[in-house]
Amino acid sequence: QSVLTQPPSVSGAPGQTVTISCTGSSSNFGAGFDVHWFQQLPGAAPKLLIYANSNRPSGVPDRFSGSKSGTSASLAITGLQAEDEADYYCQSSDSSLSAYVFGTGTTVTVL
Amino acid sequence: QVTLKESGPARVKPTQTLTLTCTFSGFSLTTRGMRVSWIRQPPGKALEWLARIDWDDDKIYSTSLKTRLTISKDTSKNQVVLTMTNMDSVDTATYYCARTTSYGVLDVWGKGTTVTVSS
Repeated sequence: QSVLTQPPSVSGAPGQTVTISCTGSSSNFGAGFDVHWFQQLPGAAPKLLIYANSNRPSGVPDRFSGSKSGTSASLAITGLQAEDEADYYCQSSDSSLSAYVFGTGTTVTVL
Repeated sequence: QVTLKESGPARVKPTQTLTLTCTFSGFSLTTRGMRVSWIRQPPGKALEWLARIDWDDDKIYSTSLKTRLTISKDTSKNQVVLTMTNMDSVDTATYYCARTTSYGVLDVWGKGTTVTVSS
């Protein structure tokens, strides 16, 4: 049961900027829990893309950026490239479930 | 270098118990703050977090699956085991394990193992 809501799909032309939203509630983002983002290329395991709202692990291009405000979070991809075609998931903790929760997932298509 | 690898049966029958093993290297589950989580992904669907075990043997489970899951660790073998009872076709999925930091970041994932539930 996903308690974090994402748009099913977003698309953009190469070089453009796309933004993926992740809507939570008072029991996750609103309670102060961080958001993390994962990229899942076709047929591959998820890979950590952004942690603790806005931090990039070593090796992740600075084209990827994250933010969180109130009960929502977002991931931006600037200078969109063909290799960015993938599914993207947000993730956080939830106090009402006492567990981790993932978003519904967003497919990014490069036109 | 941190690596994790999932292993287990590719197919189980309905009502059977699934046992999956996560074998890892590059870190120790005896180190304070270290954790390992299990996550699954049904075909074409979203990720679902299942369970986590901590360095101090603390365990937490998905609320919806709590009655069916058991997670354990063998620190001498660098392994974490997940069992899921009463398997059903809706449990068909790719199952992943991931190292989890003390801040709740699932920072390194295994490649996953696919489990099909079918008679």
